[in-house]
Amino acid sequence: ILNVEQSPQSLHVQEGDSTNFTCSFPSSNFYALHWYRWETAKSPEALFVMTLNGDEKKKGRISATLNTKEGYSYLYIKGSQPEDSATYLCAVTHNFNKFYFGSGTKLNVKP
Amino acid sequence: DADVTQTPRNRITKTGKRIMLECSQTKGHDRMYWYRQDPGLGLRLIYYSFDVKDINKGEISDGYSVSRQAQAKFSLSLESAIPNQTALYFCATSEPDQPQHFGDGTRLSIL
Repeated sequence: ILNVEQSPQSLHVQEGDSTNFTCSFPSSNFYALHWYRWETAKSPEALFVMTLNGDEKKKGRISATLNTKEGYSYLYIKGSQPEDSATYLCAVTHNFNKFYFGSGTKLNVKP
Repeated sequence: DADVTQTPRNRITKTGKRIMLECSQTKGHDRMYWYRQDPGLGLRLIYYSFDVKDINKGEISDGYSVSRQAQAKFSLSLESAIPNQTALYFCATSEPDQPQHFGDGTRLSIL
């Protein structure tokens, strides 16, 4: 079992603020990391798939970085909007068979 | 129409009852997964299947069984439900090296 930790557990920001949160994982035998966005009453949706050390991915105002040597990934949201409110999940796999999920960071963006 | 459909969406039942949760997909993916989500915890893998003849246990398979009736269908059974199996259950599908696609979830309550 892979221990995947996300911090903080929850985050409250004002509209327009930029924010970031962390996913930590054991660096040995790393294969890939996924970020998912999970809105209340909906299903998780994939944001990024990251595999290489130093990877940076961007989709609109959301970006992510990956450090496989030290075992962490950061997710950044620039200029948060109320529609960014969701739980952000990361999942790590050793071999693309089993995914191990963190408990998520719940983001609330106040207008 | 949803690509990954779970039925039922909600279910309330009593301890000791047999429950079946069904998942069907139109994405043509070979890989299918069942997860449960509990408050404060990440998604935990119950079972997964890579094709019709392939069934694998995940982190928390005790008390559950699965059936992969066809490429498009993967059902999860609780033979004798107990209250600590009350949770939100997700089915997901994927292709190798690709992110997972989730159903809308089944909220199961066992009294």
